[in-house]
Amino acid sequence: DADVTQTPRNRITKTGKRIMLECSQTKGHDRMYWYRQDPGLGLRLIYYSFDVKDINKGEISDGYSVSRQAQAKFSLSLESAIPNQTALYFCATSDSTSGRVLGSGEQFFGPGTRLTVL
Amino acid sequence: RKEVEQDPGPFNVPEGATVAFNCTYSNSASQSFFWYRQDCRKEPKLLMSVYSSGNEDGRFTAQLNRASQYISLLIRDSKLSDSATYLCVVTPGGGGYNKLIFGAGTRLAVHP
Repeated sequence: DADVTQTPRNRITKTGKRIMLECSQTKGHDRMYWYRQDPGLGLRLIYYSFDVKDINKGEISDGYSVSRQAQAKFSLSLESAIPNQTALYFCATSDSTSGRVLGSGEQFFGPGTRLTVL
Repeated sequence: RKEVEQDPGPFNVPEGATVAFNCTYSNSASQSFFWYRQDCRKEPKLLMSVYSSGNEDGRFTAQLNRASQYISLLIRDSKLSDSATYLCVVTPGGGGYNKLIFGAGTRLAVHP
């Protein structure tokens, strides 16, 4: 079974609709992240969470919100989807203990959600 | 200027070839460096970390040049299975956590 799962894997929606993307992990990691990937651009960080009570904005948080319902679950919402939010969305996790060791920057990614906003 | 820049490629090489990718980063305070691999329509996965002294993992060699702010990845004896996009990743300085800054990636296509 996959350690990081995302649902749905594909979604087509219309402008103005509310969409929620869900992420679950069984790795026991405390840190979780949401990224989007667009052609020709690197992965860009939307939001990240270091534990259930800690939520931080990334570089492109406008138009998005998140909820960390439990250590293992981190959901991303688009309150009113617009076409330029069409992208591939990835959830990722990491262990805070590895973050204190320089050179250890491994994040574990889910399989991605391909979102199309018409 | 992008924080992490890579030649998008594609690099089309025959099996057995040696291929090298470079990446430059703009923040001189960047602390940690990595190469991730992303197969088509799949999630990125860590390929290797990049250390100041350079490091090797089988056919893969990574080098870091802090003075020139670039990172390289050398792949020897290319295999068909090496076909993928290679992402250069850095962590900015000053933070105590592993926030990652991704390059857009360099695409490699190995042909028979």
